[in-house]
Amino acid sequence: GENVEQHPSTLSVQEGDSAVIKCTYSDSASNYFPWYKQELGKRPQLIIDIRSNVGEKKDQRIAVTLNKTAKHFSLHITETQPEDSAVYFCASHTLTGNQFYFGTGTSLTVIP
Amino acid sequence: NAGVTQTPKFQVLKTGQSMTLQCAQDMNHEYMSWYRQDPGMGLRLIHYSVGAGITDQGEVPNGYNVSRSTTEDFPLRLLSAAPSQTSVYFCASSFQGGGYTFGSGTRLTVV
Repeated sequence: GENVEQHPSTLSVQEGDSAVIKCTYSDSASNYFPWYKQELGKRPQLIIDIRSNVGEKKDQRIAVTLNKTAKHFSLHITETQPEDSAVYFCASHTLTGNQFYFGTGTSLTVIP
Repeated sequence: NAGVTQTPKFQVLKTGQSMTLQCAQDMNHEYMSWYRQDPGMGLRLIHYSVGAGITDQGEVPNGYNVSRSTTEDFPLRLLSAAPSQTSVYFCASSFQGGGYTFGSGTRLTVV
């Protein structure tokens, strides 16, 4: 089955700096890659996603890039703010088995 | 739209008891899933469904049953609760090709 690895597990940045979280996947049939943000005690919420026919997608301060050849995708947050502090999960969706597979999460702390 | 509604929000069970976690969505989503979230282990798939009458096992199905008699509802049954099932449980739904909408979660403690 699919294996999604996420790095780093923890990340601390100064307010205003950029943060990058990287995920790799194993199933070449994976075709959809969402990112979720989970604040403490809350539910995960979809913040951005990318499909396999697109290399990059941006939404204000967040962006996601996909490298299908290398089987990795990354979340980029620019001009970080304290409210960006949360756990971020990547996921991949594979047509094989029709499931979502999640990474183990990255705890991001933005230091004011 | 209420989105995905989970009940109860909190539950304490004694070892060996059974219970059902309820999940309902009003978005006419085909896909529904149950995940458990444990510290340091991310989200692990318990069971999922791609439509009414169709269910399948995920990564950690043992000790849990599901059914999907309608598009809206996807209850998760714990057959005989064990301390290892202490966790936060999330129900999620999506349309085909889309990302999940998660419920607010159920925090379950088995003593």
